[in-house]
Amino acid sequence: GNSVTQMEGPVTLSEEAFLTINCTYTATGYPSLFWYVQYPGEGLQLLLKATKADDKGSNKGFEATYRKETTSFHLEKGSVQVSDSAVYFCARNSGGSNYKLTFGKGTLLTVNP
Amino acid sequence: NAGVTQTPKFQVLKTGQSMTLQCAQDMNHEYMSWYRQDPGMGLRLIHYSVGAGITDQGEVPNGYNVSRSTTEDFPLRLLSAAPSQTSVYFCASSTPETQYFGPGTRLLVL
Repeated sequence: GNSVTQMEGPVTLSEEAFLTINCTYTATGYPSLFWYVQYPGEGLQLLLKATKADDKGSNKGFEATYRKETTSFHLEKGSVQVSDSAVYFCARNSGGSNYKLTFGKGTLLTVNP
Repeated sequence: NAGVTQTPKFQVLKTGQSMTLQCAQDMNHEYMSWYRQDPGMGLRLIHYSVGAGITDQGEVPNGYNVSRSTTEDFPLRLLSAAPSQTSVYFCASSTPETQYFGPGTRLLVL
């Protein structure tokens, strides 16, 4: 079946540190891949996405590259800020439809000043 | 344009009680869905709808009912609440490219 496995947290970094959150997916079909972010007390917001192999999604300084050979979609940011503190979810679609998503368990990121 | 709204924000129920979680969207999206979020579990799909009058089960549908009489509204019903349904519930409204999530309803079942 479809599944997403992401790095367990929590992750604690100092401001301006480099961030990587690992995400791998089951290679069923040709999914689109997503990163969502959830700030404290809020719902999920789409951070970035990629729809095919070798695509790079980017937004707000975050990047992730769709790697078909390693079935991975790792999230990276070169210099994190305190405002990046949130829970990050990796997700894939199912059955070729972006309507049905399978999420990873989420990774809590805390950035200290 | 309010996006996706959910009410209530927080609710406490006793085991066996019933309640309806409300979800509304003003973006004219055909597709809507309900997820529950539990610690260490991510989000799991409960039910979804591809348009008014059409609903289907997701990954964890047991104990929940839905209906979709209008494009705007997609309520989630708990007929007899159980402690295992303590969770945070998110409604989402979707285009083919993106899902838009509501702010969530935190439910505690005692």
